[in-house]
Amino acid sequence: DQQVKQNSPSLSVQEGRISILNCDYTNSMFDYFLWYKKYPAEGPTFLISISSIKDKNEDGRFTVFLNKSAKHLSLHIVPSQPGDSAVYFCAASARFFGNEKLTFGTGTRLTIIP
Amino acid sequence: NAGVTQTPKFHILKIGQSMTLQCTQDMNHNYMYWYRQDPGMGLKLIYYSVGAGITDKGEVPNGYNVSRSTTEDFPLRLELAAPSQTSVYFCATHKTTEAFFGQGTRLTVV
Repeated sequence: DQQVKQNSPSLSVQEGRISILNCDYTNSMFDYFLWYKKYPAEGPTFLISISSIKDKNEDGRFTVFLNKSAKHLSLHIVPSQPGDSAVYFCAASARFFGNEKLTFGTGTRLTIIP
Repeated sequence: NAGVTQTPKFHILKIGQSMTLQCTQDMNHNYMYWYRQDPGMGLKLIYYSVGAGITDKGEVPNGYNVSRSTTEDFPLRLELAAPSQTSVYFCATHKTTEAFFGQGTRLTVV
């Protein structure tokens, strides 16, 4: 049972345009969401997070939006740059319920076209 | 500051052999995790530990064992390796809700 789903395995975006990566979850107890970025032959690195008490969190070119009623979150990157080409993982945890284990999605490979 | 260090980076193992993947952290974090990543799949939790002396199973623990005798070290043991264990293995530590990952160990079982 995949509790965190990233339905788009890949996405190609022109440099300078907006990249939108989507993530859906099924577990209502999830209350904290994170995005990780992974380059080949490296471990994932933390990008941005959002708590369920918010619906938006922004950090420079990266913004995460959370729609709790739809159990959906998205990562917006604008403007997209060639260095953004990587695999992006969405992850979730149920902190309030004492379960801090991260559940990951399957990832979306983002390719930025120069 | 090394963070999370995994060794080896690559290894080829024969079916039925055993080996230990090493993971060391210098961040003094209590939580440590072992994940595996298969092609086209997300990160699956194998085992985790909430502190020295305490370990627990994740989603896919079969064929693996762990120990946590110190805060710093969290080795993953494969007994009787099988081709299904061919994967990339990531060790991670945990601070609040942000996880810090090692660079991974690419293991091939032939």
